Parts: sequence; C-alpha cells; structure tokens
Amino acid sequence: DAKTTQPPSMDCAEGRAANLPCNHSTISGNEYVYWYRQIHSQGPQYIIHGLKNNETNEMASLIITEDRKSSTLILPHATLRDTAVYYCIVRVGEDDKIIFGKGTRLHILP
Amino acid sequence: SAVISQKPSRDICQRGTSLTIQCQVDSQVTMMFWYRQQPGQSLTLIATANQGSEATYESGFVIDKFPISRPNLTFSTLTVSNMSPEDSSIYLCSAGGAGWGEQYFGPGTRLTVT
Repeated sequence: DAKTTQPPSMDCAEGRAANLPCNHSTISGNEYVYWYRQIHSQGPQYIIHGLKNNETNEMASLIITEDRKSSTLILPHATLRDTAVYYCIVRVGEDDKIIFGKGTRLHILP
Repeated sequence: SAVISQKPSRDICQRGTSLTIQCQVDSQVTMMFWYRQQPGQSLTLIATANQGSEATYESGFVIDKFPISRPNLTFSTLTVSNMSPEDSSIYLCSAGGAGWGEQYFGPGTRLTVT
C-alpha cells in the first residue's frame, strides 16, 4: 500500500501558484519524498525529490515540514500544461521500487 | 536522464493469445520495472526485472501469466499470456539505478483484448 495521503483533486487558476499537499506520517529516516506527475496518455514524469531540506528546480519547489510527516509541492506559476495527476511517493532511493497511490488530479483553470 | 521506448505502442489482441512488450533504454541501468495501469486507475507495480536472474513479482502477479526477461542492462520484455478482456490496460516500463536520482518511464503500451 502507498505510504502517502493526498487530496483526490484540486483546482488552481492559471498563473497562480499551485500548492499540492501530501501526508506521510509513517516516513522512515532514510526515505525520501518524491513527486511525479502523469499527464493524460503519457508515462509518469519525475518532478523533484528531497530528504529533509526544501528543494527547488526548474519545475517546482518541495517544502518538507521539520518533522517530515508532510510536504507540499509548489508549482509557482501554473499553466494549462500542468493539468495532470500528481503523485507523492516515499522511497529509499532511486533503486527502490515506486508504489503509486491515487494521487491528486490537478485542474488548471483558464 | 534517459530515453525509454516501448514496442508496440498499442495492440488489439484476441482472448487466449499472448503479447510480448519490449522496453529499451538508451543507457545501461541497474533497475527495470513493469507496471499496469487500468482505465482511470493509478499505476500498479507488476514486477522488478532483474538482470541475470528471475523477476521479482508483486502480490497478485505470477510468472506464468506475466513472464519477464531481462537479458542485458538496457532491455526487458513483458509477456501477457493467455489474455482475457480483464488484461486490457496500459503497460509501462521504468528504469533507474544509473545515478540519475530518479526513475524514468516509457510511454506505455495500450493493450485491448477482445
């Protein structure tokens, strides 16, 4: 079973920041938080990952709480192309298998 | 990063037949995985394809139904055997363990069984 809990769906206005929450209260000390997204009819796409520090790349920012029991993925300026299902995953590292939960379906509204 | 290709991209098959799906990675990788995604659902891990040894299957999936080969570090196949309409799904492979920090996914194979 997936070790994370996400809201099933969210809406965000185009141009605004999209903040996607994830709860992972049973995360272990050696597990990373990964985010992937799946745009319709495509394979999942890696977005970002982190252990305990906040991370930022060209796609998004990842904010992890100090107790590591939850995190937030931030898309700073959402566009219509960001409409997708976003998956929050905890795993030991890149060699570890990925167990997908149900994810959050993000709708970007024009 | 990596480019992962799958063949075929889609197929329509008759029940009782088998289909082999190929997954090719453009660089050597340690780990390859196979997933199934049924319509409107999330991805379900079928198995880990181990190079040089038998695949490791997840609960609910068996080798007789989904035999997997991993002859080298860039290639794997998944066979869906004795197909029924319930096997209609998208089948995806992924690859990791090359120091990228993450796994990459192929575009998927859309299978319809009639």
